[in-house]
Amino acid sequence: GESVGLHLPTLSVQEGDNSIINCAYSNSASDYFIWYKQESGKGPQFIIDIRSNMDKRQGQRVTVLLNKTVKHLSLQIAATQPGDSAVYFCAEGAGNNRKLIWGLGTSLAVNP
Amino acid sequence: DAGVIQSPRHEVTEMGQEVTLRCKPISGHNSLFWYRQTMMRGLELLIYFNNNVPIDDSGMPEDRFSAKMPNASFSTLKIQPSEPRDSAVYFCASSAGLTNEKLFFGSGTQLSVL
Repeated sequence: GESVGLHLPTLSVQEGDNSIINCAYSNSASDYFIWYKQESGKGPQFIIDIRSNMDKRQGQRVTVLLNKTVKHLSLQIAATQPGDSAVYFCAEGAGNNRKLIWGLGTSLAVNP
Repeated sequence: DAGVIQSPRHEVTEMGQEVTLRCKPISGHNSLFWYRQTMMRGLELLIYFNNNVPIDDSGMPEDRFSAKMPNASFSTLKIQPSEPRDSAVYFCASSAGLTNEKLFFGSGTQLSVL
């Protein structure tokens, strides 16, 4: 999951396994949540988003789950591949402009 | 579409020098964002524009930083004078709407101030 500090939390998985990356958000008024993937030397890339009127949303090999009761967000990646190795950021937004509050990221390492 | 284009890719300069970072957003996008990324602080929003107008610059660190968007296809972030603590990766992003949803990021400018 997300944490504050110099060292990113790291999740290490075997190729082909499912990955679950967790995120605890802070603002109970947040109504928009988004996941980004950042590969080394590149900018963050949009993966999937979800609004607070939903608790689950699926994309291609990815699922985002939202638990507003405990202010928890997770990203599930099915059949993890080496190309999924990256840092994953969650972000929360609220208000008309959805100004985002970003987490510090979780590093996902996929072992062949 | 080529995506968000940033230049230069890397910039090394000496303390006190002026630095100008450039960004070309995705054609047709209405919002442009400047972010800074460091290991200590993560991603920080510096400023964003809607339809070329600055909307929120509360993240700009201090008067040494300024950003302009003279037209829909170009923006600059200027640091004058630069300091070593400005060393970071600076990202430009754009989005189709007027909110912070679904940002498309450029590849960033790695700035090193010696």
